Amino acid sequence: DTEVTQTPKHLVMGMTNKKSLKCEQHMGHRAMYWYKQKAKKPPELMFVYSYEKLSINESVPSRFSPECPNSSLLNLHLHALQPEDSALYLCASSQVGVGTGELFFGEGSRLTVL
Amino acid sequence: AQSVTQPDIHITVSEGASLELRCNYSYGATPYLFWYVQSPGQGLQLLLKYFSGDTLVQGIKGFEAEFKRSQSSFNLRKPSVHWSDAAEYFCAVGPPYNQGGKLIFGQGTELSVKP
Repeated sequence: DTEVTQTPKHLVMGMTNKKSLKCEQHMGHRAMYWYKQKAKKPPELMFVYSYEKLSINESVPSRFSPECPNSSLLNLHLHALQPEDSALYLCASSQVGVGTGELFFGEGSRLTVL
Repeated sequence: AQSVTQPDIHITVSEGASLELRCNYSYGATPYLFWYVQSPGQGLQLLLKYFSGDTLVQGIKGFEAEFKRSQSSFNLRKPSVHWSDAAEYFCAVGPPYNQGGKLIFGQGTELSVKP
């Protein structure tokens, strides 16, 4: 099993809603990532978890709240988002250490904020 | 400053023709180098990677890339393009030591394939 699974694939929410994006991997990877991607742009790193601890937060607004309940799961909690937050949110995982740039990506959750 | 440059925003090739996508990087040391591909509406998939050793690396789907230290380049090639290769291609660099994988991506090259 070499997949990173993201749910939901599509999400539409209002600016006052609270929703969550979920990511799961069963490759035994101990690093997990959230990226944000706008159309025709490269992915932008948001958060990195290493051994279930937040190791990188790229100055992301607090309306995005990550959570890593265990080594296989990664959540991104969304609250009071803005229309400009509409994007493709990608989850990825990797080994920690040598070769950490070799990321395995999910198919993404496409978020629309109305 | 660390950066990755993909000079071509969009390339169109005919099916069956050869392909070369360019990537240049600026980094303090020799980084780890990657090419990722993203089909429309999909996540990114690793095509190939270079860590050390042989500077010509083979990847999936018939792609190869050559690392040239003197030119700080890592160009992607394919001898014969298939229509299914139409996608966005990202070159990326990462730190050459034990660290959480903070990749630097290029801006991407969109590949279109003519029948």
